[in-house]
Amino acid sequence: AQTVTQSQPEMSVQEAETVTLSCTYDTSESNYYLFWYKQPPSRQMILVIRQEAYKQQNATENRFSVNFQKAAKSFSLKISDSQLGDTAMYFCAYPPPGNTPLVFGKGTRLSVIA
Amino acid sequence: KAGVTQTPRYLIKTRGQQVTLSCSPISGHRSVSWYQQTPGQGLQFLFEYFSETQRNKGNFPGRFSGRQFSNSRSEMNVSTLELGDSALYLCASSPRTDYTGELFFGEGSRLTVL
Repeated sequence: AQTVTQSQPEMSVQEAETVTLSCTYDTSESNYYLFWYKQPPSRQMILVIRQEAYKQQNATENRFSVNFQKAAKSFSLKISDSQLGDTAMYFCAYPPPGNTPLVFGKGTRLSVIA
Repeated sequence: KAGVTQTPRYLIKTRGQQVTLSCSPISGHRSVSWYQQTPGQGLQFLFEYFSETQRNKGNFPGRFSGRQFSNSRSEMNVSTLELGDSALYLCASSPRTDYTGELFFGEGSRLTVL
């Protein structure tokens, strides 16, 4: 079975600091997509960032960036200048081969502390 | 453009009852996916519909069923409810025919089974 592992169930960070959330996955494919989704408390899940595996350059969206290590099958999310609004559950996800739906990790609960 | 709308937002049922949840995707999106979210298991894929056809189905018992209408609205039904069915049920829509793009999530329907 295709798996996505987020090894940190909970994390906390001081406002304005930087935090990195880890994600590893299992695939035998050479080209695929990886996603980080954010689910704020009692609000809908939204896409944070998307990475295409064939692109060597790490994706960046404002304060959010990824460290994509293809050989290690690692896809970590770095949040710079953390803000209170970043408090949320963060899910790593990818679609296994064969045009199948996204598989999600179990999530990391991030708390940003003032 | 209106987002993904799920109804009802909250509901309480008793064991043995059945429930129907509704999802209206973003206009123009033909793919609708359903996920069950629980604290212990994270997000687990239920099924996905595209143009009224079920394209993929997760590993859930036959008590869980769904359908999609010609206007892309989707419903899921759970019969003979069990305590373990208590969860947040998320609907997500996509304009794509594959799983390489962003999923747009609704706020979810929180089901409590007593």
